[in-house]
Amino acid sequence: EPEVTQTPSHQVTQMGQEVILRCVPISNHLYFYWYRQILGQKVEFLVSFYNNEISEKSEIFDDQFSVERPDGSNFTLKIRSTKLEDSAMYFCASSEAGIGRTFGSGTRLTVV
Amino acid sequence: DAKTTQPTSMDCAEGRAANLPCNHSTISGNEYVYWYRQIHSQGPQYIIHGLKNNETNEMASLIITEDRKSSTLILPHATLRDTAVYYCIVRAGGNTGTASKLTFGTGTRLQVTL
Repeated sequence: EPEVTQTPSHQVTQMGQEVILRCVPISNHLYFYWYRQILGQKVEFLVSFYNNEISEKSEIFDDQFSVERPDGSNFTLKIRSTKLEDSAMYFCASSEAGIGRTFGSGTRLTVV
Repeated sequence: DAKTTQPTSMDCAEGRAANLPCNHSTISGNEYVYWYRQIHSQGPQYIIHGLKNNETNEMASLIITEDRKSSTLILPHATLRDTAVYYCIVRAGGNTGTASKLTFGTGTRLQVTL
C-alpha cells in the first residue's frame, strides 16, 4: 500500500536554529498538508498546498514557517529560528482528491 | 465546520463490535462526517466518511441518523490492534477535490481488551 514517507523520524535542534522537515507524498496525490501535535494535545492543522501554492494556513503558520515542493516529489516544511514551543510531532499528509488523507508516521522535533 | 461531541473513552472486548458514537447536531447540508484514528502517536489514519447514507468499507461501517445529527462508527470485530483514539470530524466536501483542513478534536480513546 502506498505510503507517505517522512524524514527524519526524530530531529533535535538548538533554539534559534532552522530545521527542514521532509516528506515524500504518494506519487499521484495532488494535495499536501502539514499538521503538528504537541505532546498530549490535539492534532493541529498548519497548512495545505495545492497546485504549487498554499491553499489554506492556520494562525500557527506564521512567518516562521514556509513550505516548498522543490522537485515534484518532495514536500518540505521549514521552520526558521526554532523556539522551545515548536517541539512537537509534525505530520505530513497527502490526498489524491482532497477527500481521505494519508498521513506519514511523523517527525518528532525536539528544540533544546 | 460543525462541532462534534464524542465520549472521552470506551472499552471493548476483543472480537466484539465496537460502536463509537458521535454527535454533530449543528451539521449543515454540505458537510460530511469523517472518521480517522490515531494509534499511539502514529499519524492519523483515514477510516471512512459519509454524507447521509450508511457506508461500509473493509475497515468499518458508518451509520448516520436520518436527521444527520449523529453517527456511529462500527468496528465489527475489534482486535487489540484497533486500540486507538478515534476522531469524528465534520467537514464540507466529500466528493470533490478540496484542500480544506481537518479539525481534530480530542476524540474517543478506544481500549480493546482480551
